[in-house]
Amino acid sequence: SQTIHQWPATLVQPVGSPLSLECTVEGTSNPNLYWYRQAAGRGLQLLFYSVGIGQISSEVPQNLSASRPQDRQFILSSKKLLLSDSGFYLCAWRPPSRGDEKLFFGSGTQLSVL
Amino acid sequence: AQKITQTQPGMFVQEKEAVTLDCTYDTSDPSYGLFWYKQPSSGEMIFLIYQGSYDQQNATEGRYSLNFQKARKSANLVISASQLGDSAMYFCAMREPYTGTASKLTFGTGTRLQVTL
Repeated sequence: SQTIHQWPATLVQPVGSPLSLECTVEGTSNPNLYWYRQAAGRGLQLLFYSVGIGQISSEVPQNLSASRPQDRQFILSSKKLLLSDSGFYLCAWRPPSRGDEKLFFGSGTQLSVL
Repeated sequence: AQKITQTQPGMFVQEKEAVTLDCTYDTSDPSYGLFWYKQPSSGEMIFLIYQGSYDQQNATEGRYSLNFQKARKSANLVISASQLGDSAMYFCAMREPYTGTASKLTFGTGTRLQVTL
């Protein structure tokens, strides 16, 4: 069966420090991968998505970047964090076939930038 | 542009009662999909139910059903026989039109449901 792993679960970082959040999927090949951010008490905002290795699409211009160095690995990064980067970050995947619509989410990372 | 609206920031329901969570959407694409997700306090997003725009019947999954009214552009979630474990945030989402790349979901702002004894 397929599983998605996301870490770390919580992270407290000072302003100006770098960031690296990692997400891996097991039990599937060539998944579509997504990074969402959820501000406190708000809905989910799509940040990046990827349909294959090295293929990254950005939805919102910002201080963050994403990379997909391997088929089932998706990394969210920043060189210098801002206070506004605080939030709950969720990685998600779905099969590449068009018929299966739903996203499967990881357990999330709570990022606090101080 | 796609838009999902959830007008109820919070709802209360007594245990064993039914509750309806509202969701309206706006799209000009004839082909779309609608989803409901549950987010408990742990933070994970749990898929509940899906309705395709061409589906003739309302979707059902156990105690969850989706009241799909296409002309009104609404996709309300009905939870029957509420349980204490149903207390959570509930998000409505819509698949954006296919553009040849990944399928993307747009989420509403959510409704916090509290089930009481």
